[in-house]
Amino acid sequence: GDSVTQMEGPVTLSEEAFLTINCTYTATGYPSLFWYVQYPGEGLQLLLKATKADDKGSNKGFEATYRKETTSFHLEKGSVQVSDSAVYFCALRTLDSNYQLIWGAGTKLIIKP
Amino acid sequence: EAQVTQNPRYLITVTGKKLTVTCSQNMNHEYMSWYRQDPGLGLRQIYYSMNVEVTDKGDVPEGYKVSRKEKRNFPLILESPSPNQTSLYFCASNTNNSPLHFGNGTRLTVT
Repeated sequence: GDSVTQMEGPVTLSEEAFLTINCTYTATGYPSLFWYVQYPGEGLQLLLKATKADDKGSNKGFEATYRKETTSFHLEKGSVQVSDSAVYFCALRTLDSNYQLIWGAGTKLIIKP
Repeated sequence: EAQVTQNPRYLITVTGKKLTVTCSQNMNHEYMSWYRQDPGLGLRQIYYSMNVEVTDKGDVPEGYKVSRKEKRNFPLILESPSPNQTSLYFCASNTNNSPLHFGNGTRLTVT
């Protein structure tokens, strides 16, 4: 079945460091790919998405490129801030899934000043 | 303001005492769903609904019930809660072209 694998956390970085959170997927067909972010005490919210191969999603300085050849959708940011501390979830959705998402386990990111 | 509202935010109860967690959305979304979030397990879907009177099991439906009598509401019912249902619960809604909109969560403790 379809699945999403994320790097395990927590990931701890210093402010202004470069961030990569790896995400790979297995899916039949052509999924849409998403990154959601969960700030402490809140629900998840969409960070960015990509709906086809080679699309790049971007928001708030974060980027992720849909790589069909490596079945990956890695999240990157050039210079993280303390306010980026959160849990990040990678997810996919296919037409076969009744518009339901398949989720990765989440990666906790801790940014130290 | 577009939102998904869950109540209560925190709930402590005892084993076997029936409880309901309410969820309401004001965006006229067709799809609604319930998730539980547990450390190391990420988000797991409990039930989802594609429209009024249409519900389906997610990955972990055992011990839970839902109903969708109106488009805006999707309550989660625990008929006889057990300690292994202690978790953080999220309701979400979406359309087939929109991202999921999540509520702020309900932290349930069953003793």
